[in-house]
Amino acid sequence: EPEVTQTPSHQVTQMGQEVILRCVPISNHLYFYWYRQILGQKVEFLVSFYNNEISEKSEIFDDQFSVERPDGSNFTLKIRSTKLEDSAMYFCASSAANYGYTFGSGTRLTVV
Amino acid sequence: AQSVTQPDIHITVSEGASLELRCNYSYGATPYLFWYVQSPGQGLQLLLKYFSGDTLVQGIKGFEAEFKRSQSSFNLRKPSVHWSDAAEYFCAVDGSNYGQNFVFGPGTRLSVLP
Repeated sequence: EPEVTQTPSHQVTQMGQEVILRCVPISNHLYFYWYRQILGQKVEFLVSFYNNEISEKSEIFDDQFSVERPDGSNFTLKIRSTKLEDSAMYFCASSAANYGYTFGSGTRLTVV
Repeated sequence: AQSVTQPDIHITVSEGASLELRCNYSYGATPYLFWYVQSPGQGLQLLLKYFSGDTLVQGIKGFEAEFKRSQSSFNLRKPSVHWSDAAEYFCAVDGSNYGQNFVFGPGTRLSVLP
């Protein structure tokens, strides 16, 4: 079965540094998403992306965050200046039109 | 707005005992339904999903779930729990066919006694 691939699986960064989390969605999917899970808490929606623009974002997704689809295969989440509270597991997902999400296995971000 | 509830925050069972994890959703219609498992510090692993058809769905690792429309429930079951099943379990709802996003429940932590 096709997979959503996320790299790296674990990233450690210093507070204030920029970090880019990478995702390769399923090739024929058109909708892309990022979710976040702070340790011990539920998985929360960050942003959805379609047709090269953000279609919806949560209140968590502030000006420090941005998403991009730089080429035909990658979908990235950038955090401009990381804070300690950005430490979390970040999940990428993709879906075909109106049908079924597939999640990646996540990137664990640790901000020190 | 759609919501997913998992009434049990933490469940403890003995190895070999049966298991049922509860999930209820609030939706205007029948969404797609999922169960994920997450081991500590790990990513999400899909156990099973329900889109339509047979309301009893078989998944990996011996899990199954039953969709009950009348109760808006999608409970996860396993007849005999193994120590390796100790993890966090998330029920989730995909409302993308109704223009809604994917929503996770708060999770149920399963502990298994030897």
